[in-house]
Amino acid sequence: DVKVTQSSRYLVKRTGEKVFLECVQDMDHENMFWYRQDPGLGLRLIYFSYDVKMKEKGDIPEGYSVSREKKERFSLILESASTNQTSMYLCASRSAGGPPDTQYFGPGTRLTVL
Amino acid sequence: AQSVTQLDSQVPVFEEAPVELRCNYSSSVSVYLFWYVQYPNQGLQLLLKYLSGSTLVKGINGFEAEFNKSQTSFHLRKPSVHISDTAEYFCAVSATNKLIFGTGTLLAVQP
Repeated sequence: DVKVTQSSRYLVKRTGEKVFLECVQDMDHENMFWYRQDPGLGLRLIYFSYDVKMKEKGDIPEGYSVSREKKERFSLILESASTNQTSMYLCASRSAGGPPDTQYFGPGTRLTVL
Repeated sequence: AQSVTQLDSQVPVFEEAPVELRCNYSSSVSVYLFWYVQYPNQGLQLLLKYLSGSTLVKGINGFEAEFNKSQTSFHLRKPSVHISDTAEYFCAVSATNKLIFGTGTLLAVQP
């Protein structure tokens, strides 16, 4: 079974702090994604990476950056956390090529910025 | 550009009753459609997917969905729900390497 893990289930940070959210997948997937989930808004794509050191902005990249130095790991960085970044963050991965296929999701990190 | 609309934010239903969760999409190219489920305090899990072929797709836990190209819909159905089906359900359409999600429908099953 594909496994996507996220470093923390719950995280509390203060405004202005630098925050790292880590995601690791064990299926050698090329593509990895970061979403944020907010009530009434569904899932919105922040960034995705189609290969190591490759990244592309999603729909709401402002205030975020990402890093993918190894194929299995995709990090989301909040350079200076703000209260409006309080949200659930979900990581996902999928295999590239061929018809679109399933994205596999991690359990999520609920981030609270005070 | 692709988009997905889930008109119902919440659907209350009694246990053992049938349920339909609605999803409409817009796309100018061939579509691939998905339903994901999120149980409380968990990540998303694939329920079923339509890539091609038969328009009636069966998924896990007794759910099924029908792809209707003329009505641009992909509604999710279950003939008899259980308390354990209480969760949030997301419809999604594939756009190249990305998924575009709807805003979700909370299915609240009552005893």
